[in-house]
Amino acid sequence: DIQMTQSPSTLSASVGDRVTITCRASQSISSWLAWYQQKPGKAPKLLIYKASSLESGVPSRFSGSGSGTEFTLTISSLQPDDFATYYCQQYNSFSETFGQGTKVEIK
Amino acid sequence: QVQLQESGPGLVKPSETLSLTCTVSDYSINSDYYWGWIRQPPGKGLDWIGTIYHGGSTYYNPSLKSRLTISIDKSKSQFSLKLSSVTAADTAVYYCARGRPTPMVSYFDSWGQGTLVTVSS
Repeated sequence: DIQMTQSPSTLSASVGDRVTITCRASQSISSWLAWYQQKPGKAPKLLIYKASSLESGVPSRFSGSGSGTEFTLTISSLQPDDFATYYCQQYNSFSETFGQGTKVEIK
Repeated sequence: QVQLQESGPGLVKPSETLSLTCTVSDYSINSDYYWGWIRQPPGKGLDWIGTIYHGGSTYYNPSLKSRLTISIDKSKSQFSLKLSSVTAADTAVYYCARGRPTPMVSYFDSWGQGTLVTVSS
């Protein structure tokens, strides 16, 4: 199985900060990576697919980059609505896996 | 806008079979999409369970494969999950989701609200 490792596990930031979350794959997954946002008690919401494609309706302050084994999700200017947990997911193989999550907290 | 709704018992006894159904509305389950199940133990991260294509092809999480069956009923616009021989480790919020097709497998662009299943005697 392909393992996905996110860092950091928790991130403390302030409104307006630029935030970067990293996701590393245990082997190359090309660009077959998605990012999700999850708020407490809610289902995950798709933000980014194919590593850098922004899902329709998602604010442009969210962006994704990377290929192969290292990927990043960047929030250019953190907004109050962005405090949540973020997950990456690889879909390169017939055994899709998620990262363990990164919680973005208010500093 | 596709809608997905999970349904099934909220409490299952150890060693029994967990059965959930996802009803898809406002979208054809027979379209060129995948349909998946994902779970989240309390306070933990997301675990992919398995996925079915509208034609009936399935692929499962290897760690659950021996206990897992996912099926689809296009006439009812539903797909279902059966997980046998459950233990407390299977306690989780279970989500159903729509998987967008890609040259590889799928990522999930629409999700149900989730349903908590507790395994306890």
